[in-house]
Amino acid sequence: DAGVIQSPRHEVTEMGQEVTLRCKPISGHDYLFWYRQTMMRGLELLIYFNNNVPIDDSGMPEDRFSAKMPNASFSTLKIQPSEPRDSAVYFCASETGSGELFFGEGSRLTVL
Amino acid sequence: RKEVEQDPGPFNVPEGATVAFNCTYSNSASQSFFWYRQDCRKEPKLLMSVYSSGNEDGRFTAQLNRASQYISLLIRDSKLSDSATYLCVVNREGGKLIFGQGTELSVKP
Repeated sequence: DAGVIQSPRHEVTEMGQEVTLRCKPISGHDYLFWYRQTMMRGLELLIYFNNNVPIDDSGMPEDRFSAKMPNASFSTLKIQPSEPRDSAVYFCASETGSGELFFGEGSRLTVL
Repeated sequence: RKEVEQDPGPFNVPEGATVAFNCTYSNSASQSFFWYRQDCRKEPKLLMSVYSSGNEDGRFTAQLNRASQYISLLIRDSKLSDSATYLCVVNREGGKLIFGQGTELSVKP
């Protein structure tokens, strides 16, 4: 299996622009998680899905953030409009429910 | 107060030393527990699960105390390659996985 695949690996954008991050989970994994990591706040859970249904989005910072999972093999995290404080590494992870998360390599976002 | 709290570190130890990390969690309904390892600029990876009876994997020993809501990780005979950030993870009911801030370990020759 190819593992969790995220794109883009790096993105630099200007404040106010829309950012879309993409994730392909491991086939057969029922859970998909979006995390954000910064030096100050560590790994923060933004939202997670079970069988494509959002279960808990209480970690989504504000209305500028949205996430979708239209099918079992694809999810997006969108930020519109982006702000400099959104700069972070965004990780997507999937798992079967065992607690062993498999992470993608992350998308490093810089908002100028 | 954060739901999962860890020693902030960094821990700087010589090769061969024994080092222990602690983690506390606030939600008594938490169901399962894990230690993850994250290398610099890489994604986190599972190191080991933590069971109530305690469990060992080579030089690594994990302990859980449900009454005190406390988890620990002990590394014996530390190696240079153990240098990383160690993350305590708690699995809440419904599958929600919460990470601690992480403890940085640096093993020196």
